[in-house]
Amino acid sequence: AQTVTQSQPEMSVQEAETVTLSCTYDTSESDYYLFWYKQPPSRQMILVIRQEAYKQQNATENRFSVNFQKAAKSFSLKISDSQLGDAAMYFCAYRSRYSGAGSYQLTFGKGTKLSVIP
Amino acid sequence: DADVTQTPRNRITKTGKRIMLECSQTKGHDRMYWYRQDPGLGLRLIYYSFDVKDINKGEISDGYSVSRQAQAKFSLSLESAIPNQTALYFCATSEGSGTSGRFVSETQYFGPGTRLLVL
Repeated sequence: AQTVTQSQPEMSVQEAETVTLSCTYDTSESDYYLFWYKQPPSRQMILVIRQEAYKQQNATENRFSVNFQKAAKSFSLKISDSQLGDAAMYFCAYRSRYSGAGSYQLTFGKGTKLSVIP
Repeated sequence: DADVTQTPRNRITKTGKRIMLECSQTKGHDRMYWYRQDPGLGLRLIYYSFDVKDINKGEISDGYSVSRQAQAKFSLSLESAIPNQTALYFCATSEGSGTSGRFVSETQYFGPGTRLLVL
């Protein structure tokens, strides 16, 4: 079974600064997807960024980028030029790319609460 | 308009009551999911459905049942609610693999969540 670990329960960043959220995972599979979801106080789960394990290039979405280290099973999220609206819980999630029983399940970490200081 | 909607957004009920949470989507996706979120535990999968005739249990299905009334509608029922079912419930959808064969190439999109309190 896959596991996802987020070792930082809480983090804070000054507005306009850069912050990196950590995520590690454990799997025996070679092909999979990794995601970062954002959950603001509104409770909505919002997809931030997605990475396919077979792609060596790190995914980027505007101010959000990842550092994907497949051998180390590490998937960190970097937020540049932090804004007040970035304050939220951030969840790292894993999903197998192969079809089969259980493969459709997203396995989530426990989340990191990010505060943005004005 | 939201692509994935959930009703109700908040619900308080009593132990032993039957309750239904509903999910509708306009994304045209085949696959739908129900997750539960507890503080400190992240989200866990309750049930998922690939189409109207295909429903599967997830990690924590005990005490829950589901109904896929149509491609766009997926309901979660608690037949006899108990206090430890107090949680935030999310519906999610995904497009499906289409002709991708054994590979599943999709992202799950979540509804706004339903906060349920069982007294």
